[in-house]
Amino acid sequence: QQQVKQSPQSLIVQKGGISIINCAYENTAFDYFPWYQQFPGKGPALLIAIRPDVSEKKEGRFTISFNKSAKQFSLHIMDSQPGDSATYFCAASGGLQGGSEKLVFGKGTKLTVNP
Amino acid sequence: KAGVTQTPRYLIKTRGQQVTLSCSPISGHRSVSWYQQTPGQGLQFLFEYFSETQRNKGNFPGRFSGRQFSNSRSEMNVSTLELGDSALYLCASSFLLADNTDTQYFGPGTRLTVL
Repeated sequence: QQQVKQSPQSLIVQKGGISIINCAYENTAFDYFPWYQQFPGKGPALLIAIRPDVSEKKEGRFTISFNKSAKQFSLHIMDSQPGDSATYFCAASGGLQGGSEKLVFGKGTKLTVNP
Repeated sequence: KAGVTQTPRYLIKTRGQQVTLSCSPISGHRSVSWYQQTPGQGLQFLFEYFSETQRNKGNFPGRFSGRQFSNSRSEMNVSTLELGDSALYLCASSFLLADNTDTQYFGPGTRLTVL
């Protein structure tokens, strides 16, 4: 049972272009949606996160768009750079009742930015 | 602040053996979660500990167990290793904020190879 579906599996963009990664979820109890970036040999690092009370969040070149009715959210990387080449994971968790909840991850998108 | 540390970084075991992995969370973080990362299944939640108590558990067999100590350090143990247990095991720690939100910070992982 895959609760978070991520696409595409791989993505190649040119330097300066826009990278777009999409995720869809099934569980309406999810209320926290982070994106993680992972470089080879490293653990995932939090990039940006959103909660369903807003439709968009921007941090530098990274933007999350959130569509609650469609149960979809996406990551946009503006002005993509070769240093952005990494694997990106979307995730979701289902509310906090006094503590941390488990993250359900998408399968990941391998992004390659060509110079 | 030092990040999440995991030891050892690499481990080679044979089928049937058992293994113990260690995780030291970021200072002040009381929640520790463990994830298994494989190319086929992606990132999957194993379990989460808070104040020495297991609060959440993923869908893994009983061969996978863990514990947390009073200083928030955590260990996970896998008994009777199988070839399919070869994976990157990631530990993540988090600090509960006043509004009950938190962010999980991942360590570099322990690469376990089962021969």
